[in-house]
Parts: sequence; structure tokens; C-alpha cells
Amino acid sequence: NAGVTQTPKFQVLKTGQSMTLQCAQDMNHNSMYWYRQDPGMGLRLIYYSASEGTTDKGEVPNGYNVSRLNKREFSLRLESAAPSQTSVYFCASSELEGGNQPQHFGDGTRLSIL
Amino acid sequence: GQQVMQIPQYQHVQEGEDFTTYCNSSTTLSNIQWYKQRPGGHPVFLIQLVKSGEVKKQKRLTFQFGEAKKNSSLHITATQTTDVGTYFCAGPLTGGFKTIFGAGTRLFVKA
Repeated sequence: NAGVTQTPKFQVLKTGQSMTLQCAQDMNHNSMYWYRQDPGMGLRLIYYSASEGTTDKGEVPNGYNVSRLNKREFSLRLESAAPSQTSVYFCASSELEGGNQPQHFGDGTRLSIL
Repeated sequence: GQQVMQIPQYQHVQEGEDFTTYCNSSTTLSNIQWYKQRPGGHPVFLIQLVKSGEVKKQKRLTFQFGEAKKNSSLHITATQTTDVGTYFCAGPLTGGFKTIFGAGTRLFVKA
């Protein structure tokens, strides 16, 4: 049982390039999330999808777009990468929507913008 | 805005010593969750506390939710090298649809 799978695991981009981070879960969860993690700042929510067909902004959405492709997949797109977007990106899922739901995380994507 | 704060930011202990991390919220929480992230890994859900004053144990780990449901603690008895990592608390944002994470406490254990 793979849980939450993220691709790629590592990526280096040049400023201005675009990229899509992929996330898929096989737990039949309804809600999915994208976080970024920077040193000393914990996890900050970028976007989330409460259920298939819906997406909403989190704490730090600027510079990102998302697509909930189906119940399993939730992608994060950087249209024009900036050095400030250098971070570790985690995708997570939960069975139901809500702040009282345990979240299951993928292994992360380590992204560097030069 | 709503905040969840954790102290200390990091702690170094000798193997066998106890360790405690504290989590404080600016608002009352309906529940609090704890996660552990090993170095280079991803956060892993440990436990959720819901009731005022609730105490739960997992082997050497003791989790407590404050009476006012605005603070929580995680205590590890007799730390081991396997306890190394960052411990995060998390709670629901007012409105309940999103989760806010504390900045975490990083634990270093010296053998």
C-alpha cells in the first residue's frame, strides 16, 4: 500500500521556468493538501481540495496553481518559478475534510530555484 | 491571525533523559494533533486529543491536552536515539476546514 506518492523527489529549476508537482493517493481519501516547509517555519498550507472538483487557497497561495484531476490526484503548478519558492513541498491527504482529520503525507519534493 | 506556537525550538538531550515540548494556541481548539518528522523524512501522524484535560500514552510518549483546550504537551520518558526528529503540533483553524501547524521542536539525542 503506497499511501501518498509524490513525483519528482528532487528538482532544480531556473528562475522563470514552470513545473508541475504530481501527487497521488491510493487510500480513497476525499481531501488533499499541498504544503511547503521552510527551515524553522513548520508547514504552511498552499492550497487544498476538500473533495473532488473543489480547490481553495491556503495560507501562501501566491505563485501557485492546483488541479484536482480526480479523486486520487492533486497537482501543484509553478507557472514562473522564483528563488523564494525554493522549499520542500509535501502533499497530504485525509479521509474527510476538516481540521480534525489526521493527515497522511507523501515523501516530499525538494525543489531548488536558481 | 490564529497562531499555534511551540517551545522550545530545539533541544539537545543525552540518551536516557526526558524531553518535553509545549504547544500553545491563541484560540481554543476543538482538537490537537501531534506529528513526528524524522530528519529527511515526512511528517507522520502520532495522535489526536479531543477532550479537555485528556491524557494519552504511547509507550514512552505521553500527550496531554490542557483544560482550556489552548495548550498541549508531549513528554518523552528516557529518550532513545530513535526519538530524534521534529515534533509538530497542529490544530484546526477557526471554521474547522484547515489545519495550522506549529513550527515544531527539533529533538537531538546524544548516545
